[in-house]
Amino acid sequence: DVVMTQTPPSLSVAIGQSVSISCKSSQSLVYSDGKTYLHWLLQSSGRSPKRLIYQVSNLDSGVPDRFSGTGSQKDFTLKISRVEAKDLGVYYCAQTTHFPWTFGGGTKLELK
Amino acid sequence: EVQLVESGGGLVQPGRSLKLSCAASGFTFSNYGMHWIRQAPTKGLEWVASISPSGGSTYYRDSVKGRFTISRDNAKSTLYLQMDSLRSEDTATYYCAPNSGFDYWGQGVMVTVSS
Repeated sequence: DVVMTQTPPSLSVAIGQSVSISCKSSQSLVYSDGKTYLHWLLQSSGRSPKRLIYQVSNLDSGVPDRFSGTGSQKDFTLKISRVEAKDLGVYYCAQTTHFPWTFGGGTKLELK
Repeated sequence: EVQLVESGGGLVQPGRSLKLSCAASGFTFSNYGMHWIRQAPTKGLEWVASISPSGGSTYYRDSVKGRFTISRDNAKSTLYLQMDSLRSEDTATYYCAPNSGFDYWGQGVMVTVSS
């Protein structure tokens, strides 16, 4: 199975700050169609996960452009600019290139 | 609007069985492979099982192989997970998701395996 390694496991941030979360995979996530199926999810406290970004850098509908995703092959980053209180929760990277789908261990974003 | 409504969870003793359901609406259920994903308390997300659109192919993580059975009823747009010989480590919230890159999630259903 593809191992997804997320760092850091937690982040303390002040409102208005910017943060970055890293996600590294044990194999390239480029599929045979040339696309990279790496996604970012946010799970707010007590809620189901919600996808924010799909295929590395595409924002889901309604997701503010304070969020951005970059990366390629095995190395990916989620950046949140000007953090707001509603951004707090656990962020997961997830891949659907290789079966079975696998997830990073999560990064908990909390207020400083 | 896509909706996924999981049900059937609860408290069950080790070794017993439970059957989860996921009622889907808002998309053409029969066109999509479906997955069960779980999350143990305070832990991360873990893929459990998948089924092809027709139901002809199924896949399981090693730890549930031989104990869990995924199935579907396309006429009812419903996904199932029959869980037998339950263990304490199966305690988790279970989510169903279509094979569309995690864009839709249900509210999840809690399964607690404890004596």
